[in-house]
Amino acid sequence: TQLLEQSPQFLSIQEGENLTVYCNSSSVFSSLQWYRQEPGEGPVLLVTVVTGGEVKKLKRLTFQFGDARKDSSLHITAAQPGDTGLYLCAGFMEYGNKLVFGAGTILRVKS
Amino acid sequence: EPEVTQTPSHQVTQMGQEVILRCVPISNHLYFYWYRQILGQKVEFLVSFYNNEISEKSEIFDDQFSVERPDGSNFTLKIRSTKLEDSAMYFCASSGTGRGYEQYFGPGTRLTVT
Repeated sequence: TQLLEQSPQFLSIQEGENLTVYCNSSSVFSSLQWYRQEPGEGPVLLVTVVTGGEVKKLKRLTFQFGDARKDSSLHITAAQPGDTGLYLCAGFMEYGNKLVFGAGTILRVKS
Repeated sequence: EPEVTQTPSHQVTQMGQEVILRCVPISNHLYFYWYRQILGQKVEFLVSFYNNEISEKSEIFDDQFSVERPDGSNFTLKIRSTKLEDSAMYFCASSGTGRGYEQYFGPGTRLTVT
């Protein structure tokens, strides 16, 4: 069974604070995707990381893929209320053709 | 910007009835997927489809489920005899990249089985 453990499950912070969400597995992934999902809608792709150690930046969001391609992190700098939402990590299996999703992190940024 | 579309947005059906969920993937994509998300739970993989055949399926995707790409633009998921536990959001996704990562998801169909 492929598992992708995501932490924390819930995060409530003040506007302007920094935060990090973690995604860990014992499995190796070909790539790791981060999505954002609003209630009742489909996941929206934020970024894909492919190479071990890769770092990608999207404005105030920084995504990192672990050297062994088993883990990833999402760091948000100076969080804003507009960042509020559900963040999902999803790993593309090294063998096979599917994404395995984490349970998600619900982020609430208070103004 | 191209996007994946799904119809209907909400389907209510009685237990034992057949349902067909429809998806139009992004036009130049080659890999197609169905996932589902039971309320409050993780997004779960159902099936992947490439080159007009299933490339992988999960344990959930039993004989009651089937997929089809009937006309080169639509991608459908059929559930032959729905059960109460099939109630969930069903998401279609497509990918244009090699081996199917970087998947783009549709808005989902909420299936309610009564």
